[in-house]
Amino acid sequence: EVQLVESGGGLVKPGGSLRLSCAASGFTFSSYSMNWVRQAPGKGLEWVSSISSSSSHIYYADSVKGRFTISRDNAENSLYLQMNSLRAEDTAVYYCAKAEQWPGGFDYWGQGTLVTVSS
Amino acid sequence: QSVLTQPPSASGTPGQRVAISCSGSSSNIGSNPVNWYQHLPGTAPKLLIYINNQRPSGVPDRFSGSKSGTSASLAVSGLQSEDEADYYCAAWDDSLNGWVFGGGTKLTVL
Repeated sequence: EVQLVESGGGLVKPGGSLRLSCAASGFTFSSYSMNWVRQAPGKGLEWVSSISSSSSHIYYADSVKGRFTISRDNAENSLYLQMNSLRAEDTAVYYCAKAEQWPGGFDYWGQGTLVTVSS
Repeated sequence: QSVLTQPPSASGTPGQRVAISCSGSSSNIGSNPVNWYQHLPGTAPKLLIYINNQRPSGVPDRFSGSKSGTSASLAVSGLQSEDEADYYCAAWDDSLNGWVFGGGTKLTVL
């Protein structure tokens, strides 16, 4: 059974940093691209970042470019999101999502972890 | 403002057929497949349709997707109360080099 479990969310002050983790199991993690998607309170889903299976291709939404860094450890079956210079508008539930082989969509999602940026 | 445009709401009575539209441009829907997601608040989003019209195993055939040009549509037939949720379209955007989502459509079963 595929499982994605996010952790690392919490309350942080504007300008602060946070590192999210996503522990994956139930599939060959090293074979699939992975993604972070967020949902701000009362808003829709917003794609944040993607990383290919070997980390050779990395993409970011313009809203987080230069502040967030996605990475993965295939030996540990883990996905990460380092978030720096956090702003109030980064407040959201952050989901980790596995991508099907291109051009499929995100076929498995975690339950999400809440990040709140507030003074 | 989302890159893909969806109506904010849709509704129908049990048993009815409802369609949700998703409008984009040549750099996203016009050149890449469309995926649809179902999301109940507080739960993990669920892939409903991939590559325009493919259903993952376990998704009822009441759900169907289509695409034409720079627009796509999700149809739900034989509407049931458990279909009440938020629905999102998404596609890769070649200009932005990233995934873009629609703003979401809240489906209400009256």
